[in-house]
Amino acid sequence: QQQVKQSPQSLIVQKGGISIINCAYENTAFDYFPWYQQFPGKGPALLIAIRPDVSEKKEGRFTISFNKSAKQFSLHIMDSQPGDSATYFCAASPHQGGSEKLVFGKGTKLTVNP
Amino acid sequence: DSGVTQTPKHLITATGQRVTLRCSPRSGDLSVYWYQQSLDQGLQFLIQYYNGEERAKGNILERFSAQQFPDLHSELNLSSLELGDSALYFCASSVGSSVVVEQYFGPGTRLTVT
Repeated sequence: QQQVKQSPQSLIVQKGGISIINCAYENTAFDYFPWYQQFPGKGPALLIAIRPDVSEKKEGRFTISFNKSAKQFSLHIMDSQPGDSATYFCAASPHQGGSEKLVFGKGTKLTVNP
Repeated sequence: DSGVTQTPKHLITATGQRVTLRCSPRSGDLSVYWYQQSLDQGLQFLIQYYNGEERAKGNILERFSAQQFPDLHSELNLSSLELGDSALYFCASSVGSSVVVEQYFGPGTRLTVT
């Protein structure tokens, strides 16, 4: 049972464009929503994260938008650059019983063309 | 560099064998998580340890076990290996408090079972 659904599977964007990746969840116990960036042969790197008490968080060119009622959140990458080409994963944590285990989406492979 | 180290980087072994993967968390982090990444299953949580104690279990097979030592490094033991165990295994660490939950991933161990 996939608890976090991520779309699209792949995304091609021109340099300078906006990349948008969407995620949806069902479990209302989730209370922490991070995004990770992974380059080939590397481990996932924490990019930005949000909690459900805010609707938006921005760090540089990266913005998370969060819609608690719709149980959806998205990552926006502004002014996308070829160096942003990587696989992006959304995740959610139920934070139950003192555990912060992450449930991941299937990932989105982003290609930014020069 | 996340500060999380994993050894070895690559491991090639035969079916039926047993291997041990090692992880050293970031300085000061008390929680260690193990994740498996495969093409068909994506990133899956296996198990979490906090300050030497098991805190949460995910989709970890009975053939797999883990422990966290007094110096906080952790080992993941995989036994009776099957072809389907071939995957990337990541360790992540976090402070482990109820407030700070960011997880930082290591570079991973690529396991190939032949």
